[in-house]
Amino acid sequence: KAGVTQTPRYLIKTRGQQVTLSCSPISGHRSVSWYQQTPGQGLQFLFEYFSETQRNKGNFPGRFSGRQFSNSRSEMNVSTLELGDSALYLCASSDRDRTMNTEAFFGQGTRLTVV
Amino acid sequence: KQEVTQIPAALSVPEGENLVLNCSFTDSAIYNLQWFRQDPGKGLTSLLLIQSSQREQTSGRLNASLDKSSGRSTLYIAASQPGDSATYLCAVRWGSEKLVFGKGTKLTVNP
Repeated sequence: KAGVTQTPRYLIKTRGQQVTLSCSPISGHRSVSWYQQTPGQGLQFLFEYFSETQRNKGNFPGRFSGRQFSNSRSEMNVSTLELGDSALYLCASSDRDRTMNTEAFFGQGTRLTVV
Repeated sequence: KQEVTQIPAALSVPEGENLVLNCSFTDSAIYNLQWFRQDPGKGLTSLLLIQSSQREQTSGRLNASLDKSSGRSTLYIAASQPGDSATYLCAVRWGSEKLVFGKGTKLTVNP
């Protein structure tokens, strides 16, 4: 069974540009969550999607957005990039259908560097 | 505010030692707690998931315990090896899909 796949693995962007990151969850998982990891703040929750609907959103500005497709694949978009957006972006999938007590599985992350 | 704390931030031990990593959380009404391992520049690998109704979980040389009343979890690693060197993260779910993470404990096992 394939794990969580995130593409691309590395990105370098210029301030003011926008970027789109992709996440393919484990087959059968319908919940996808996104996290930002920085040395200073650690891991912070961005948002969660379940069956194409955003269920939860963290405390990030509106420049951060996401969506989920009917095949459960998810994308997150960051517009008007700032230097502080440089981080490792991690995606997690879980089998949320049955119960809240579900294990989260993470991808390898996308390393975004804003210059 | 729901928070997760991990102490110490870093730990260095000789190979073969048994060790305990600590995790504390502020609100005992958790759904579950999950321990992860992260190697430098990589994603998170799930080690153990403890449901709110459980007291401990074991996988190989790893044992995680949960004491909701005191807001604490420990990860016990037996007979540590250099390959165990990594950052260990504790994460708590409080009733939504959102996981709240501690800052992690960076473990170094010296040969």
